Amino acid sequence: DIQLTQSPSFLSASVGDRVAITCRASQGISNSLAWYQQKPGIAPKLLIYGAFSLQSGVPSRFSGSGSGTEFTLTISSLQPEDFATYYCQQLNSYPLTFGGGTRVEIK
Amino acid sequence: QVQLVQSGAEVKKPGASVKVSCRASGYIFSNYDIHWVRQAPGQGLEWMGRMNTGIANTEYSQDFQGRVTISRDTSANTAYMELRSLRSEDTAVYYCARRRALDLYYNYAMDVWGQGTTVTVSS
Repeated sequence: DIQLTQSPSFLSASVGDRVAITCRASQGISNSLAWYQQKPGIAPKLLIYGAFSLQSGVPSRFSGSGSGTEFTLTISSLQPEDFATYYCQQLNSYPLTFGGGTRVEIK
Repeated sequence: QVQLVQSGAEVKKPGASVKVSCRASGYIFSNYDIHWVRQAPGQGLEWMGRMNTGIANTEYSQDFQGRVTISRDTSANTAYMELRSLRSEDTAVYYCARRRALDLYYNYAMDVWGQGTTVTVSS
């Protein structure tokens, strides 16, 4: 199984900050990676697919990069509505797997 | 609009089974896979399995092999996930999600999610 390791697991930041979350895969997955945002009590929301493509309707302050085994989700200027937990997911092979999550909280 | 609507919360005793439904609307049901993902309280997301709703073949996580069955009723545009031999560790929110290719390069992701179904296992 492909393991995904996210870092950091917790991030404290202020509105307007630039933040980056890393996701490392235990083996190469090309660009078969998605990023999701989840708020408490709500289903995950797709942000990025194919490692760097922005899902329709998602603000452009979100961006994804990387390929192979190392990927990054960047929020260029953190907004109040961005405080949430973020997950990466590999869709390269079954079983599909998720990273452990990164909780972004207000400093 | 495109949506997945799941059945309501369940409370089950250890050893029992639960069957959660996921009704699709706003798109052609048999054109896309349905996946099931669960989230234990305060924990991360865990993939359970999937079904190709067109040809009804399935793939399951080894962590649930033998205990989970995913099925569908195309006439009702509904997918189902049954989990058997429930234990307290199965207490979680269970989500269904549609997997779709989002570009010409067949980059897939789960673009539509159900609202989640809370399953509580308690004696």
